[in-house]
Amino acid sequence: AQKVTQAQTEISVVEKEDVTLDCVYETRDTTYYLFWYKQPPSGELVFLIRRNSFDEQNEISGRYSWNFQKSTSSFNFTITASQVVDSAVYFCALSERTAGAQKLVFGQGTRLTINP
Amino acid sequence: GAGVSQSPSNKVTEKGKDVELRCDPISGHTALYWYRQSLGQGLEFLIYFQGNSAPDKSGLPSDRFSAERTGGSVSTLTIQRTQQEDSAVYLCASSLGAFSGNTIYFGEGSWLTVV
Repeated sequence: AQKVTQAQTEISVVEKEDVTLDCVYETRDTTYYLFWYKQPPSGELVFLIRRNSFDEQNEISGRYSWNFQKSTSSFNFTITASQVVDSAVYFCALSERTAGAQKLVFGQGTRLTINP
Repeated sequence: GAGVSQSPSNKVTEKGKDVELRCDPISGHTALYWYRQSLGQGLEFLIYFQGNSAPDKSGLPSDRFSAERTGGSVSTLTIQRTQQEDSAVYLCASSLGAFSGNTIYFGEGSWLTVV
């Protein structure tokens, strides 16, 4: 069965530090999709990125970057020069290509606190 | 609408009462999902709709939970005879279709407290 593990429950850093959130996944499928979502205090899950299993290129979007490595089944997320507004809970999720339902399997989330 | 809209935002109900939670997906999105977020269980899939049909109800925790979708748009999640363990945030989401690569967009959730 598919599984997503975010081993870091909570991370606290000082503003402007770089921080990496780890995500490790398990799946038997050869085609799958990985996602990162941000959940600020308002509660809404905000989509950040989607990556398919055939695309191992790293991605950078402003201060955000993602490192996808199939060899280690990891999809880590780095925030460079963190800001207080980055404080939120971040979820990594896995979606498998199966007949019928599309389900996201979420990790337990990492609560990130950026201190001024 | 511009985003997934859910109502009510907050609901406090007495144990044993029925509650209805409403979701209005992003316009044009044919797939609609309900998830539940609770402290002990994290984010759990409940049910999804493709159009008005629900091919997968496997995540519904008991027969007290039901959901329907009409007109391929608005969905209602109903919890009958609520129990304290039903207290959670109920998140609705939608996507263009049920293809597993589609991005799923979430609403702000309905916070349910059963007292």
